Amino acid sequence: NAGVTQTPKFQVLKTGQSMTLQCAQDMNHNSMYWYRQDPGMGLRLIYYSASEGTTDKGEVPNGYNVSRLNKREFSLRLESAAPSQTSVYFCASVPWGQETQYFGPGTRLLVL
Amino acid sequence: QKEVEQDPGPLSVPEGAIVSLNCTYSNSAFQYFMWYRQYSRKGPELLMYTYSSGNKEDGRFTAQVDKSSKYISLFIRDSQPSDSATYLCAMSADSSYKLIFGSGTRLLVRP
Repeated sequence: NAGVTQTPKFQVLKTGQSMTLQCAQDMNHNSMYWYRQDPGMGLRLIYYSASEGTTDKGEVPNGYNVSRLNKREFSLRLESAAPSQTSVYFCASVPWGQETQYFGPGTRLLVL
Repeated sequence: QKEVEQDPGPLSVPEGAIVSLNCTYSNSAFQYFMWYRQYSRKGPELLMYTYSSGNKEDGRFTAQVDKSSKYISLFIRDSQPSDSATYLCAMSADSSYKLIFGSGTRLLVRP
């Protein structure tokens, strides 16, 4: 049972490049979330998926897209990366009927 | 003004001290309150969860919620160097589990 896994662990992009951050959970959780964490800002919700087939915007969705591929996987895509998207990205999942969020180890993204 | 305010610290205490970490919030609709611990370069992990007002104790950790004052606290008794981490408060108004996080308080427990 690996919990929540994220790939890659670290990525450097040039401005304008695109990439997809991958997240997978093997705990049969319904809800999944993408956050970004910046110094002094805490964790801010980008997008979330309450269940397979649904996605909704969070606090800071601009510049991102998501796909809930199936119950296990929730990916985050940057179509045209900007330096302002330099951050640490965390994926989280929640079991049905609970409030506890289980976090992955994070992806550190640097956009030059 | 942020919805959730948290002193960023760092807070430095000697081993064995009682630590008090706090958050204030502005949204009276918040009902679910959590404390997460985050070690350097790791994801947050849930420490304590409280629904509505009151206290909750788990080992050396006690969480308090005062909804009338819009104020939550986490107390750590007999603090250990292994408690050195960033502590994030988080809260939610409804069952969508869209959490609003504080910015985190860095805690350093000196041996």
